[in-house]
Amino acid sequence: GAGVSQSPRYKVAKRGQDVALRCDPISGHVSLFWYQQALGQGPEFLTYFQNEAQLDKSGLPSDRFFAERPEGSVSTLKIQRTQQEDSAVYLCASRGERSSYNEQFFGPGTRLTVL
Amino acid sequence: AQKVTQAQTEISVVEKEDVTLDCVYETRDTTYYLFWYKQPPSGELVFLIRRNSFDEQNEISGRYSWNFQKSTSSFNFTITASQVVDSAVYFCALSEAGNYGGSQGNLIFGKGTKLSVKP
Repeated sequence: GAGVSQSPRYKVAKRGQDVALRCDPISGHVSLFWYQQALGQGPEFLTYFQNEAQLDKSGLPSDRFFAERPEGSVSTLKIQRTQQEDSAVYLCASRGERSSYNEQFFGPGTRLTVL
Repeated sequence: AQKVTQAQTEISVVEKEDVTLDCVYETRDTTYYLFWYKQPPSGELVFLIRRNSFDEQNEISGRYSWNFQKSTSSFNFTITASQVVDSAVYFCALSEAGNYGGSQGNLIFGKGTKLSVKP
């Protein structure tokens, strides 16, 4: 079956531009996570959705970051007025059940470069 | 606070050597889960194993084995007879269980260990 997909795979933006990153989770998965992975680092949590509800956005680095999942499936991470420090790989993960015991399935990521 | 430390930044071995990747974690939770993920050059994180904090049995899966020691807060990963295809960045991760497993379970990752296996 299809895994988690993300688009675009690569995005180059000029500083100050807005970007939107899309995540298509595995069909039927309740939980969806966004992580940010800087070069040479491990992924860091950004935000969590359970169906369409955004239950935790404590990891979003600033109010320029906004995420939504309006119908409980596809999610979009939007970054407004991009800055160079936003350059990173943005990973989306989905999980079938609510339990934190279950593994998260990751997409290939979107590599964002802000010039 | 929860934290995962992977002290080895990079390891280079020759094919067929055994290699152990270290992982040390910190948490105040009594119930938690530990994971290992592999990130090949393509970038996608691939799930390898999950461990419940109450289950300290070591596990072997083919050439992979994991040693979980709660007394030292370690969850080490060994690859036996390494192969070139094992070259990747390996991440250890921790998530809390919360009360009755109700935690959302976002993963806390270490910085990763880059493994290079040379032919």
